[in-house]
Amino acid sequence: QLQLQESGPGLVKPSETLSLTCTVSGGSISSSSYYWGWIRQPPGKGLEWIGSIYYSGSTYYNPSLKSRVTISVDTSKNQFSLKLSSVTAADTAVYYCARSTPFGVDYWGQGTLVTVSS
Amino acid sequence: EIVLTQSPGTLSLSPGERATLSCRASQSVSSSYLAWYQQKPGQAPRLLIYGASSRATGIPDRFSGSGSGTDFTLTISRLEPEDFAVYYCQQYGSSRETFGQGTKVEIK
Repeated sequence: QLQLQESGPGLVKPSETLSLTCTVSGGSISSSSYYWGWIRQPPGKGLEWIGSIYYSGSTYYNPSLKSRVTISVDTSKNQFSLKLSSVTAADTAVYYCARSTPFGVDYWGQGTLVTVSS
Repeated sequence: EIVLTQSPGTLSLSPGERATLSCRASQSVSSSYLAWYQQKPGQAPRLLIYGASSRATGIPDRFSGSGSGTDFTLTISRLEPEDFAVYYCQQYGSSRETFGQGTKVEIK
C-alpha cells in the first residue's frame, strides 16, 4: 500500500522559507506513470494546487506562486520536497503531498499544518 | 488559468435524499481530466470520480459523475450518513491544475 508522509517545521517566521519533505513508501517515486505534487489548504478554506514534479525533475507550478516555489525530487531517498520563500501569514495552511495520475490524485499524505508567525 | 465554480456553496439534505452538485469551468475542460473529491473534517481529500464519470477504486455506485465541456455534475443518489462532507471538483492534466471552492453537503 502506497503511503506518503510530510515532514518539516510546523512554525515558520514571516519572510523566511518554508521547507517540507514528502517521503514515499510502498512504491517507487521513479515510476513513469505519475507526478508528485503539493496541495495546500488554509484553515477553513478550499484546496490550492501548488505544483508538481516528475521523477525526471520536470516541474509545473501554480502561476500565482511560481516566483516563490521550488519543488525538487530525490529518487535515491524516494522523496520530494517543497520550498516556499518569503512566506507571510497568508501561507499558513495544511500542506499535503500527493500522487497525481491520469486518473486524478489518488494518494494523499495526511497533511501537515504550517503556521507562519513571528 | 481555468477557474472552476461550484454550486451551491452549501446543500442541506436529509439521509436518503439525492444530492446534485455542480462544477462549472471558465473554459472547456477535457472530460478526461475532471475529478471529484470528498473531504471530511481533519482528513485528506479522497478521490471519488476521475475522467468526469469513472468511479475510483472502492467508491460506492451511489456516487456518479457526468458532464462535458464546461458543465459537470456529481450526483449522490441516496445520501448515507457518511456522505455528509465537503466536495471539490478539480481539473488536471494541463500542467495548470485548479480546484473548485467546494460544496458542503450538510444534514438538514
